[in-house]
Amino acid sequence: AQSVTQLGSHVSVSEGALVLLRCNYSSSVPPYLFWYVQYPNQGLQLLLKYTTGATLVKGINGFEAEFKKSETSFHLTKPSAHMSDAAEYFCAVSAPYSGGGADGLTFGKGTHLIIQP
Amino acid sequence: KAGVTQTPRYLIKTRGQQVTLSCSPISGHRSVSWYQQTPGQGLQFLFEYFSETQRNKGNFPGRFSGRQFSNSRSEMNVSTLELGDSALYLCASSPDPQGAHGYTFGSGTRLTVV
Repeated sequence: AQSVTQLGSHVSVSEGALVLLRCNYSSSVPPYLFWYVQYPNQGLQLLLKYTTGATLVKGINGFEAEFKKSETSFHLTKPSAHMSDAAEYFCAVSAPYSGGGADGLTFGKGTHLIIQP
Repeated sequence: KAGVTQTPRYLIKTRGQQVTLSCSPISGHRSVSWYQQTPGQGLQFLFEYFSETQRNKGNFPGRFSGRQFSNSRSEMNVSTLELGDSALYLCASSPDPQGAHGYTFGSGTRLTVV
């Protein structure tokens, strides 16, 4: 089974400052990793994903994340925060080669990103 | 192209009733999965279908069921509704069951049980 830990249920940054949202995972097999964003009363929008290949992945809206196997981490960053980035962010893991079939996505508890003007 | 469509968007049901939610995936996507989102438990996996077959089921009681049709549209059913079933139910589609291309989510159905 896999699990995801997102450090910090709330993160507050100033507009223009660096955004860093932390995600650590556990998986017994090579994982697929995802970051999703959710705005109020909406579904989840995929920001970026890591499946195989390059460990630094770039996503939409200027976000990027780096898969670090040795640290079992997949932290999300953005160099300069914008007011429109205020939302709930979810890190998720899937174990596509676990043998028993995928168990879908396992999500972290989410991090609420607050942007201060 | 059209995204994942979930109907209805909002639903109010009475305890003990049953409910059916619908999900139309992106054209060409054959994998559909369902998730329940609540403030207390967060996002939890319900089940996944690929080519009309249920591949996996999460840790939910048998009152939760689903199916997938030959056109990949999926429905989930909850029988004997309980107050705790109030949640946002999200459907996600993917071209492959492993999720290598990512999962695209619909806007969800917000179910309120009174």
